[in-house]
Amino acid sequence: SQKIEQNSEALNIQEGKTATLTCNYTNYSPAYLQWYRQDPGRGPVFLLLIRENEKEKRKERLKVTFDTTLKQSLFHITASQPADSATYLCAGGGYNKLIFGAGTRLAVHP
Amino acid sequence: NAGVTQTPKFRILKIGQSMTLQCTQDMNHNYMYWYRQDPGMGLKLIYYSVGAGITDKGEVPNGYNVSRSTTEDFPLRLELAAPSQTSVYFCASSYRLAGASTDTQYFGPGTRLTVL
Repeated sequence: SQKIEQNSEALNIQEGKTATLTCNYTNYSPAYLQWYRQDPGRGPVFLLLIRENEKEKRKERLKVTFDTTLKQSLFHITASQPADSATYLCAGGGYNKLIFGAGTRLAVHP
Repeated sequence: NAGVTQTPKFRILKIGQSMTLQCTQDMNHNYMYWYRQDPGMGLKLIYYSVGAGITDKGEVPNGYNVSRSTTEDFPLRLELAAPSQTSVYFCASSYRLAGASTDTQYFGPGTRLTVL
């Protein structure tokens, strides 16, 4: 079945460092990938979309890459801040729907 | 704009009871979705709708029903609640043009449901 897989272990980093989160997809080729942020007790919020023909996309301190050879997307937050602490969800485009990964929890420590 | 609103925020049900989770969006989106999120798991699609009067099953539809009589509302019905339906339920909406391949989904705040 079509799957989006993210590292289930929490990522702990120091403030000011770059956080890198990984998203892998299997058994299908999504035309695009999206990244969402989810805070505890809240619904996910859209951050970025990258299409399969785009290698890289940036928005302020965020950068996303899409590698169709590795079947992987990397999500980077540069100059991370404690306010960036949240769970980040990767989602792959499917027919009339998105397929979500389980998310990776990021904790940025002062 | 309020975006996507969901009621109730919390609910405790007994096994076998029924309830309806309400979802409303004021963005004139054509697509609407219902997901459930279990601890440590990703969002699982229950049902979705591409427009008023049209609904379709997602990955985990058993035990649920939906209807879409208006563009704004997309209620989710649980007929005979079971402990396996204990979860957090999210409603989402998006606007997709015919033939477009992408959409950004806007989520509600969620309903936390416990079945005892």
